[in-house]
Amino acid sequence: DARVTQTPRHKVTEMGQEVTMRCQPILGHNTVFWYRQTMMQGLELLAYFRNRAPLDDSGMPKDRFSAEMPDATLATLKIQPSEPRDSAVYFCASGFWDTSYEQYFGPGTRLTVT
Amino acid sequence: GNSVTQMEGPVTLSEEAFLTINCTYIATGYPSLFWYVQYPGEGLQLLLKATKADDKGSNKGFEATYRKETTSFHLEKGSVQVSDSAVYFCALIVSNFGNEKLTFGTGTRLTIIP
Repeated sequence: DARVTQTPRHKVTEMGQEVTMRCQPILGHNTVFWYRQTMMQGLELLAYFRNRAPLDDSGMPKDRFSAEMPDATLATLKIQPSEPRDSAVYFCASGFWDTSYEQYFGPGTRLTVT
Repeated sequence: GNSVTQMEGPVTLSEEAFLTINCTYIATGYPSLFWYVQYPGEGLQLLLKATKADDKGSNKGFEATYRKETTSFHLEKGSVQVSDSAVYFCALIVSNFGNEKLTFGTGTRLTIIP
């Protein structure tokens, strides 16, 4: 049963520290998404990649957030420096982008910045 | 732009009750429509989908019919169980030359009491 995996599942850090979240998409999927979920804002799309190339990162605060896909099996989302307002659950999702448009979500990384 | 409006929650029902969660949409073009479900502590899972008008998506006893005339995709289940307690998200996507992004509703929290 293929699944998207994310590490770490939980992260507590102090304001100003760097945070790196990792995602392993489902093998064979060519599109990867990063979402952020908070009670106030709901589910927000931060960035997404197709065939490892960034397609859209307009949802991401550019001054502190960066997203990359160093290879087809790894996507990373980095926050530097982190702030308390970054506290949220960050989800990675992957899909094979045909007309089905189906996305498969990972379990998320719960980030708390104190 | 595209948008999805969902029934406000939370919704609390007794086991075996009939469920309806309303979803209406605004879309430029012809969207595909989805319902995702999020169980506590987990990522979103695709529950069902419909890709054209009058299509009915179904899964695990849940159904939703793509109604173009009313721009709606209401989720229904005839007899809910405690295990259906979760947050339900309606979403749409419109074909855009490879630059498609899911637009999510705000989610409806459903609690089923025994």
